[in-house]
Amino acid sequence: DVKVTQSSRYLVKRTGEKVFLECVQDMDHENMFWYRQDPGLGLRLIYFSYDVKMKEKGDIPEGYSVSREKKERFSLILESASTNQTSMYLCASSLGQGRGNQPQHFGDGTRLSIL
Amino acid sequence: DQQVKQNSPSLSVQEGRISILNCDYTNSMFDYFLWYKKYPAEGPTFLISISSIKDKNEDGRFTVFLNKSAKHLSLHIVPSQPGDSAVYFCAASAKNAGNMLTFGGGTRLMVKP
Repeated sequence: DVKVTQSSRYLVKRTGEKVFLECVQDMDHENMFWYRQDPGLGLRLIYFSYDVKMKEKGDIPEGYSVSREKKERFSLILESASTNQTSMYLCASSLGQGRGNQPQHFGDGTRLSIL
Repeated sequence: DQQVKQNSPSLSVQEGRISILNCDYTNSMFDYFLWYKKYPAEGPTFLISISSIKDKNEDGRFTVFLNKSAKHLSLHIVPSQPGDSAVYFCAASAKNAGNMLTFGGGTRLMVKP
C-alpha cells in the first residue's frame, strides 16, 4: 500500500510567520502534489513536482513555495503566513509520466490555522 | 471557471437504497475520470476510475458511468451503507497533462440507517 505521510495533523501559526509543511511518500513515486481544500471549492492545486528539484505552479501558487530535494519528500512553504491561508492542506503522490493513467494517493492532511 | 462541477453539495439516502452522485465537466480534453471518498480528518481515498474509451466501470457496489457527449459522469452505490457516509469528489485528468487532476467541489453523502 502507498503511504503518504504529512508531518503534522494540526498546526497553529501566527500571521507573518514562515511555515513549513512536510510530506513523505514511501512508494518511489515521481510525482508529488500539494493541494488546499476549502468548503465548496474542492481541492485546488498549489504546486506539483515531477522529479527531484523540479517544480511547477498549480492553480493557486501565490503566497507559497515548494522544495523537493529528495524524491520521497515534498515540502510546502508559506513565506509569510496570512489568515486567508487557514485551510486543510493535502499532499499527494503518483507514478510518473509514461505509466498510463494513475490515481493520486493522499496523505491525511494538515489543518493549518493562521491567527 | 470551474472545469469540473458537482452541483449537489449534499445527498441523503436510506440504507439499502441506491446513491447516485453526479459530476459535470467542460474540458473536452479530459480523458480520465476518478472518484475519491473523504472522511472527516482524513485524506481522500481513491475509489474508482474510468477512461474515456469506456462508458462504464464497475467495482463491487460502486459503478461509474461516463457520458462523453453530455460531459457527465455519475457514481452509483448499490446498496448504500451507513459507512458510505462521506464527502465524494470527482476529478478529471487531461491528455498529456502529466497526471494533474482537476477536482469538483464535492458532494456530502449521508446514508441513514
